[in-house]
Formats: sequence, structure tokens, C-alpha cells
Amino acid sequence: DGGITQSPKYLFRKEGQNVTLSCEQNLNHDAMYWYRQDPGQGLRLIYYSQIVNDFQKGDIAEGYSVSREKKESFPLTVTSAQKNPTAFYLCASSIMGGETQYFGPGTRLLVL
Amino acid sequence: AQSVTQLGSHVSVSEGALVLLRCNYSSSVPPYLFWYVQYPNQGLQLLLKYTSAATLVKGINGFEAEFKKSETSFHLTKPSAHMSDAAEYFCAVSERSSNTGKLIFGQGTTLQVKP
Repeated sequence: DGGITQSPKYLFRKEGQNVTLSCEQNLNHDAMYWYRQDPGQGLRLIYYSQIVNDFQKGDIAEGYSVSREKKESFPLTVTSAQKNPTAFYLCASSIMGGETQYFGPGTRLLVL
Repeated sequence: AQSVTQLGSHVSVSEGALVLLRCNYSSSVPPYLFWYVQYPNQGLQLLLKYTSAATLVKGINGFEAEFKKSETSFHLTKPSAHMSDAAEYFCAVSERSSNTGKLIFGQGTTLQVKP
């Protein structure tokens, strides 16, 4: 079955630690996105990529980094510079920019 | 800049009653509009989308939404609520003229369905 997978489902981060969230899609989509979800705030765009080896900052990129070395993969690293990382992180993909986005099941990041 | 406003963070209806979730947008040109549903601790699932065809859009699970340009609205409705409709609903807008695909989301509306 085609779809988007995110792992792990839950992730715990210690102070000063970088953690990486995985996002993989087998839909052959060109565009991929990372969103952060906080209660009562909807979803906010962190980074997006429309093509391999290229990505752009979204509205809240500070404290995060990404890479796009393969079409099907778009990992997100939450760095120690992100002071409030506790949130639900959602990855999405679309055929190309402007088309319907399809979402993965999400990763919940908690701080120890 | 584009924005989306969902009126009412919580809506409660009785099973079998009409569901109405409100969404207003601001955009310089008619945008693409989406409604997504999210069940607890899950990702978002597309309910329906408006791109440029008929202003009344039918989606999954009996939901529909009407694009009203004069009111800059895209309200979501369902004639008869079911217990399984209890979830959080998000309205989102994407610029028609942009190929970045950036979605701007509303804050979400939690739908409670009472037996």
C-alpha cells in the first residue's frame, strides 16, 4: 500500500540533545512538508521541499533542520536550539507544490 | 497575507443533528480551500477540497462545503451527525498563484457528538 510513514510514534528528548524524526513516502510525490501542531494553534509549517537536494524554510524554522537526499525521505532534526520542542509533528507530501497534501500519522515529541 | 479563521474552537451537536463548522479566509485571489479531519493522535485525512469547479463540494463521510466568494467563506456541513464524526476539523487555504503548496491552517474546531 502506498502511503506516508513516520517514526517513531513517540520520541523523548533530553535537554541539549538533537533528535531526528523520520518521514518516508512511497507515493512518488515530489513535494514534502513538515508541520508542527500545538493545541489550539492549528498546524504551522516548519520546512518544505519541492525537489531532491532543495528545501525552504517555513514559518517556524528556527531550531529545526532538514535534508532531502532522496525523493522518498525528508527527515527533520529538532536541535538543542529549539527551546520548546514538545509538540505533535506531522509530515505531508503532494504530487507537486499546490496539489493536495497527504499526511503521515505523526510523531509526538516529549521533553524529559 | 493569507489567513484562515475557524469560528468556534468547540462545537457540540446531538447525534442526528445538523453539523455546521465555520471557516472564513482572507486572500487576494480565490484560493484553493481544504477541510481535513483529525482523530486523536493521528494524522490529518482529507475530507474535501475546492479548486475551481463547482462551488458546492462533496466529500467523504457525507460532508460537504460551499465556497462563497462574496462572504469569503467555506463552511463545512453534514445533515446528520454520527458518533464517529467526533474529531477535530481543520480548514486550510493554499494560494492559487503559488506553486509552493504552502497550506495555511485555521486553529481547528473540535466536534463533540452527544448521544
